[in-house]
Amino acid sequence: GAVVSQHPSRVICKSGTSVKIECRSLDFQATTMFWYRQFPKKSLMLMATSNEGSKATYEQGVEKDKFLINHASLTLSTLTVTSAHPEDSSFYICSASGLAGSGEQYFGPGTRLTVT
Amino acid sequence: AQSVTQLGSHVSVSEGALVLLRCNYSSSVPPYLFWYVQYPNQGLQLLLKYTTGATLVKGINGFEAEFKKSETSFHLTKPSAHMSDAAEYFCAVSDLGAGSYQLTFGKGTKLSVIP
Repeated sequence: GAVVSQHPSRVICKSGTSVKIECRSLDFQATTMFWYRQFPKKSLMLMATSNEGSKATYEQGVEKDKFLINHASLTLSTLTVTSAHPEDSSFYICSASGLAGSGEQYFGPGTRLTVT
Repeated sequence: AQSVTQLGSHVSVSEGALVLLRCNYSSSVPPYLFWYVQYPNQGLQLLLKYTTGATLVKGINGFEAEFKKSETSFHLTKPSAHMSDAAEYFCAVSDLGAGSYQLTFGKGTKLSVIP
């Protein structure tokens, strides 16, 4: 149980285009989803926290207009990187929580974004 | 504010040797503590967690960790390293005690296992 999927696993896009990454909780309802960015050989940097049906809470330094997060249902959150640039290339990981009392986040497998 | 310090960004052990990955934390509330493992180009997999109760926590793949409040530590150990243990390990603290699922991660420790 507690499986989180991400799609796509890898994406290459041209500079200036937008790309959408989906995060789904497959067998539980995720009241909260998190989006992380991981640079090579670095830890995970929390970008934003989203609760179903409400606006995402962004961490300091993360551009809201560039990284659009939608959490429209209890099983789906999306991250859209708008007008992507090469410096946006990174590994993006989502996680989901919601199993009562577990205190645990369940992580997706990650999406490798390369902007050329 | 919470923080996590992982001592040693890279640890090498011989196959069959003891694995010890260090983690110290600071938290203003009773912490929930986690260890995650990450294999290349993959997401994070939970190894074990401490919430309340027994301070020695056993996880998957033979790993265990002990919560020591007096030392604010949550070190990860495994008696005998296996080649398949080579990966990146992250310690994390949650302030679930304050009602939030948000995790604060350490910078990670890369474990290499030498045949």
